[in-house]
This record gives sequence, C-alpha cells and structure tokens, in this order.
Amino acid sequence: DAGVIQSPRHEVTEMGQEVTLRCKPISGHDYLFWYRQTMMRGLELLIYFNNNVPIDDSGMPEDRFSAKMPNASFSTLKIQPSEPRDSAVYFCASSRTLTEAFFGQGTRLTVV
Amino acid sequence: EDQVTQSPEALRLQEGESSSLNCSYTVSGLRGLFWYRQDPGKGPEFLFTLYSAGEEKEKERLKATLTKKESFLHITAPKPEDSATYLCAVRLTTDSWGKLQFGAGTQVVVTP
Repeated sequence: DAGVIQSPRHEVTEMGQEVTLRCKPISGHDYLFWYRQTMMRGLELLIYFNNNVPIDDSGMPEDRFSAKMPNASFSTLKIQPSEPRDSAVYFCASSRTLTEAFFGQGTRLTVV
Repeated sequence: EDQVTQSPEALRLQEGESSSLNCSYTVSGLRGLFWYRQDPGKGPEFLFTLYSAGEEKEKERLKATLTKKESFLHITAPKPEDSATYLCAVRLTTDSWGKLQFGAGTQVVVTP
C-alpha cells in the first residue's frame, strides 16, 4: 500500500481565497483524521471520521473550516475564506483500530 | 485543566549515550498514552501505546514505560538515525475515542 496520500504537498494562496486539501486514506482503514500542526499550538486534531461519518469536529476552529468524506477512499478539508493565521501543516491520518494511526506527508499551507 | 508536558524540549546526544525523555500528564482520566516520532518534513510515525501504569513496551533501542503521572521513553545506545522529534499524546476518558491530545515534543539530535 502507498500509505496515506495527501495533495497538494504545498499550497500558497492569498487571503480570502478558498483552499481545498485532499486525502486518500489507506485502503481498509475505517477511521480518518485531519490534524493541523503549528509551532505555537503543536499538533491538534481538527476532525475525525468513522466509516465516512464525522464523529468529533470539536477541534475545527471556526465555520470557515469544513471537512467531507464522500466515500471510503477520499476526504477533503476546505477553508473558505482563508486567513494568514490558517498557515500551518495539515496532516491527514488513517487507522483501522485506533491503536495506531498512519499519517500522510502533510500539506504545507501558506496564506499571504 | 488537562495538560500534557514533554521535557526536555531538546536533547543532544552522542552516539551510544543513553537517555530518557519525559511525558508528564495532569488529566482527569487516561484511556491510553501514545508515543510517535516525527522526522523533519514528514508526518508522525507510530511507536507505542500504553494503557495502564506499570506497562512497558520495547522496540529496538526504544523502551516506553508508564506510571500514574508520567511516561518515559528510554533511548538505549542511540544512533544518528534516532534523531527526530518524539511526541507523546494522551487519550482521555472525557474525549471521544479517536481524539488524541499531543504534547509539544522533544527534539532529539544524535551525533556520530
């Protein structure tokens, strides 16, 4: 298996623009997680899904952020409108059992 | 307030010089404690899960232990390839099962 695949790897956008991050989890993994990592706040869980259903979105910072999982092999995290403080590395991870999670390479987002 | 604190923030070791990293937690209820390593520019990689005080897990030169207040990650005779940031995370009884709260990490550099 190729592991968790995220795209794009890097994204630079202007403030106010819509940003969409994409993730393909490992096949057979029922859990999918979206994390954000910054120097100031470290690694934070934004939202996670089980069998394509959102379970806990308490980490989503505000209504500008939304996440979807239309099927078992694809998820998106959208920020609209984007702001400079959204600049971070966004990780997607997937898991079969919740004992361990496999992370993707991340998307480095810069909002200017 | 639930807190996860890792120390030291950074650690520089000579190859072969054993040491320990600390993860202390002040939480209302612990379901599990997790250790991950993260290489620069990559997503975290799972190492261990510990569930109860007294539990120990080993993998190559790494050994994780858990008490009621803290966890230690012991690195025995480290090699340069052990250089990474080591993250601990807790799963709380007050959170949903998939949610982990991460510490800020310990950056380890092992020099030849």
